[in-house]
Amino acid sequence: AQSVSQHNHHVILSEAASLELGCNYSYGGTVNLFWYVQYPGQHLQLLLKYFSGDPLVKGIKGFEAEFIKSKFSFNLRKPSVQWSDTAEYFCAVNPGRNYGGATNKLIFGTGTLLAVQP
Amino acid sequence: DAGVTQSPTHLIKTRGQQVTLRCSPKSGHDTVSWYQQALGQGPQFIFQYYEEEERQRGNFPDRFSGHQFPNYSSELNVNALLLGDSALYLCASSLAGYGANVLTFGAGSRLTVL
Repeated sequence: AQSVSQHNHHVILSEAASLELGCNYSYGGTVNLFWYVQYPGQHLQLLLKYFSGDPLVKGIKGFEAEFIKSKFSFNLRKPSVQWSDTAEYFCAVNPGRNYGGATNKLIFGTGTLLAVQP
Repeated sequence: DAGVTQSPTHLIKTRGQQVTLRCSPKSGHDTVSWYQQALGQGPQFIFQYYEEEERQRGNFPDRFSGHQFPNYSSELNVNALLLGDSALYLCASSLAGYGANVLTFGAGSRLTVL
């Protein structure tokens, strides 16, 4: 079955520390990859996405992620976190390429709760 | 502002009852997907509606049903509620076509089943 694994359930960092959140998926075909973020009391928001091309993608608020096809991974990074980055982060995979018609489903990981201490 | 509006925001039901949740998609979007997010878990895909038809379905029983209206809004119905149905139900909208896999999520409807 298709699945997404996020290895870190809880991460606590001090401000200015570097961040890397792991994400691995199990699907052998073409995938679209996403990181969503949920700030306290807010809805899920798209942080960044990978459809094709450069495997290093940049998102909002200084976040970036690297797609490594051979490792089935899409890790999220940020060089220096801020207190405002405290949130829950979800990796998601959309298996199969969509050439039109309805959107394919997303398969989410269980999420990583990041707490940044000032 | 998410652009996707859901109602109600919170509701409490008892086992065996039925519930209807509503969703208005972001302006310009024509596809609505529903997800269930249990506590401590990631969202799980329930089903998706496009052109007023159910297009894809996740691993959920027939107690979960839905509808999409001509104005693209959608309803999620759950019959014979179980305690395990307690969760945050998320609606997400998108625009069909290539690159349509970017979802805009609503704030969710939190259902508690007692």
